Amino acid sequence: SQKIEQNSEALNIQEGKTATLTCNYTNYSPAYLQWYRQDPGRGPVFLLLIRENEKEKRKERLKVTFDTTLKQSLFHITASQPADSATYLCALDMTTDSWGKLQFGAGTQVVVTP
Amino acid sequence: NAGVTQTPKFQVLKTGQSMTLQCAQDMNHNSMYWYRQDPGMGLRLIYYSASEGTTDKGEVPNGYNVSRLNKREFSLRLESAAPSQTSVYFCASSQGTGSSPLHFGNGTRLTVT
Repeated sequence: SQKIEQNSEALNIQEGKTATLTCNYTNYSPAYLQWYRQDPGRGPVFLLLIRENEKEKRKERLKVTFDTTLKQSLFHITASQPADSATYLCALDMTTDSWGKLQFGAGTQVVVTP
Repeated sequence: NAGVTQTPKFQVLKTGQSMTLQCAQDMNHNSMYWYRQDPGMGLRLIYYSASEGTTDKGEVPNGYNVSRLNKREFSLRLESAAPSQTSVYFCASSQGTGSSPLHFGNGTRLTVT
């Protein structure tokens, strides 16, 4: 069965440093991968999408890489700020049809301290 | 522009009771989804509706039913609640194309005693 793994341990990082999160998957050949941010008591919010033919995608201080050979995506937050503290979820498409069903990882909590 | 609105925000049920979770979106999206989120397990898809008039099962549909009332509204019904259904339920919508991002509501926190 398909499996998505994210580091379950919280990532504690000092303000200004780069946070790097990992998303590994097995038994998948996803056409794309998405990253979401979730704050306590709120629903996830979409951040970035990267397709299988793209190696890297950037948005402001965020960078995502996608290695289909390693079956891994890395999510980087550069120059981290306390406001970046949240849980970050990766999600992969479950199907080749057009309905956008996503399977989510359990998420990694990031804590940025001043 | 409210996005995705879920009601209620909190609910406590006794085992065997029934209830309906409501979800509405104002983004003219084609597809709508119901997920549940449990600690350490991530979001799991319960049911989805690819377009108005269609619904289909996701990963964990047992014990639930859904209704796509119109393009805006997608409800989730628990006919006979069980403690295993204690969870946070999220409704989401998307344009429905292959890579469309999901837009989530802020969830319903359900406790079944």
